[in-house]
Amino acid sequence: GNSVTQMEGPVTLSEEAFLTINCTYTATGYPSLFWYVQYPGEGLQLLLKATKADDKGSNKGFEATYRKETTSFHLEKGSVQVSDSAVYFCALSDPLNAGGTSYGKLTFGQGTILTVHP
Amino acid sequence: NAGVTQTPKFQVLKTGQSMTLQCAQDMNHNSMYWYRQDPGMGLRLIYYSASEGTTDKGEVPNGYNVSRLNKREFSLRLESAAPSQTSVYFCASLSLSLMNTEAFFGQGTRLTVV
Repeated sequence: GNSVTQMEGPVTLSEEAFLTINCTYTATGYPSLFWYVQYPGEGLQLLLKATKADDKGSNKGFEATYRKETTSFHLEKGSVQVSDSAVYFCALSDPLNAGGTSYGKLTFGQGTILTVHP
Repeated sequence: NAGVTQTPKFQVLKTGQSMTLQCAQDMNHNSMYWYRQDPGMGLRLIYYSASEGTTDKGEVPNGYNVSRLNKREFSLRLESAAPSQTSVYFCASLSLSLMNTEAFFGQGTRLTVV
């Protein structure tokens, strides 16, 4: 079945440092890939997404590129802020079926806790 | 546009009690999900529904039942709550197609079983 593996956390950085959170996946076909962020005490928010190989998702200074050849979707940010402290989840959805819609299953990685210090 | 709405936000149950967590979305999404989130375990899929009228088991379905009442609503029922079901529960909906990919989560239900 589908699976998502994220780098072990927690990750602790100083403000303005470069961030990479690794994510690799196992799936058949071409799943859509997502990064979600969860701030303390809140639900999950979609951070960015990519639906096909070589697509780059970006939002709020974060970027991730869908790499089919390495089955990866690593999250990067050039300069983190204290306000970026949160838990980050990589996820994938089932590949599109012949009708162009999804079978529906959404699978998450275990989450990576990021703490940014001033 | 409310997005995904979950109720209740907090609940305390005694062992053996039953309850239903409600979830509704107003975005016309086909797929809906129930997850539980536990410390160090990430999000684990309990049940999902790829479309109205269909439901499928996820990774941890034991002790739960679901109903996809219509396209908007997807409820999760605990028939006889156990302390192991103490967790934070999230409902989500996803619309995935060639033209548009959107996925949204509710704010969560913090459930404690004593």
